[in-house]
Formats: sequence, C-alpha cells, structure tokens
Amino acid sequence: QKEVEQDPGPLSVPEGAIVSLNCTYSNSAFQYFMWYRQYSRKGPELLMYTYSSGNKEDGRFTAQVDKSSKYISLFIRDSQPSDSATYLCAFRIQGAQKLVFGQGTRLTINP
Amino acid sequence: DAGVTQSPTHLIKTRGQQVTLRCSPKSGHDTVSWYQQALGQGPQFIFQYYEEEERQRGNFPDRFSGHQFPNYSSELNVNALLLGDSALYLCASSLAAMTGKLFFGSGTQLSVL
Repeated sequence: QKEVEQDPGPLSVPEGAIVSLNCTYSNSAFQYFMWYRQYSRKGPELLMYTYSSGNKEDGRFTAQVDKSSKYISLFIRDSQPSDSATYLCAFRIQGAQKLVFGQGTRLTINP
Repeated sequence: DAGVTQSPTHLIKTRGQQVTLRCSPKSGHDTVSWYQQALGQGPQFIFQYYEEEERQRGNFPDRFSGHQFPNYSSELNVNALLLGDSALYLCASSLAAMTGKLFFGSGTQLSVL
C-alpha cells in the first residue's frame, strides 16, 4: 500500500466552480499536513499548513484534515484561470525533516 | 529579496558521468533540502543539510551526496549517472524550526542520455 494516494487527474472545471482536491494516507504518524501548488516549470509553493484535524481557511482556499479517516482535502472557491496548476499534498512526521508528497493533481480552470 | 536560486536550469549528461547542482537559499534561511521529482510524480526527499551537516537522508544510494557551505548555500553531487536519474532536482530552503514550510527553487532539469 502506498503511503500517500492522490488522484493524478487531470481535472478540468469551468471558472467560478468549487474545486475539491483529495489525498488519503496510511501512515498514522503523520502529524503535519500541507498543500503545495506547482506551476509548470516552477518549484512547488506552500499554500496551506495544518497540524490538527478540522478546517483551516485562507482566502478562497480551505484545507480540511480528518485524522480518523486519514484523509485530507483542499477546497478552492470561485476558481480562477490562475489557479491552473498541479496541486501536491504533503505530510511530515513530528521530529522528521523530510516531507512525503503525493503524486500531484493537475488542475485546469477554463475561462 | 531573492528567493531560492538554483543553477544550472538545464543540464544534459551521459551515463556514467558526474554532475554538480548548486543552490542558494532564501535570505535568512539556514536549512537546505534536496528533492528529486520525476515527470508526473511528486518530489522525493533526497537529504537535508543544516549547520553544514547532513541531518536526514531519504532512500537514495550513496551516489547522491551533498554539501552545505558556511554561507548556507548547498551542492548536490550525483556520481555514475544512470538513465533513471533524469528528473527535476529541486532545492528547498527553510528555517531549522520550520521544516514543513519549504521555499522551493525552480529546479534543475537533468537529462541523462
């Protein structure tokens, strides 16, 4: 079983739609949960960083963590063409230095 | 404020050769991590350097080695290149206490022929 599962997509939605991106994980030692956005030919950029179950909101973005189900989500409201990118979920064990990334979901927002 | 800078941006090598990739961290950051990203995959952790020491290493062979300099910049060296080493190599910097909050460079695209 893979440590992290993320649907690679591609996912294509119209501008203004609500987007839901998801990851499941198997390692119960993961305590920190992140979402990174990666534009083509660029490095990943941190969007959201959480360490507890529940929701965290930042503008149009909401990160949701359900530790009991080992499931995290990123919601994008009022999606814009500039949101078109690959979205990577990432996890970290407390005390460890490495991040474990999902495969990434490629998202396209159509004007 | 310059972010994380990596050089070169692209590199073509042949099997068996050696390569050195360079990284300058974001101003104020003291920790550098290296990741390998194959096409269509998420980044894979290679190792992290802090205070000029390798602090943690991922599941990569000894052909992959690194160094951190007193000014916090870093190098990644790969010996005896294999075709499978073709990937985007990403450098990320952070503060030691904020390991999850990484700032990535744009990467070096390495092609091994």
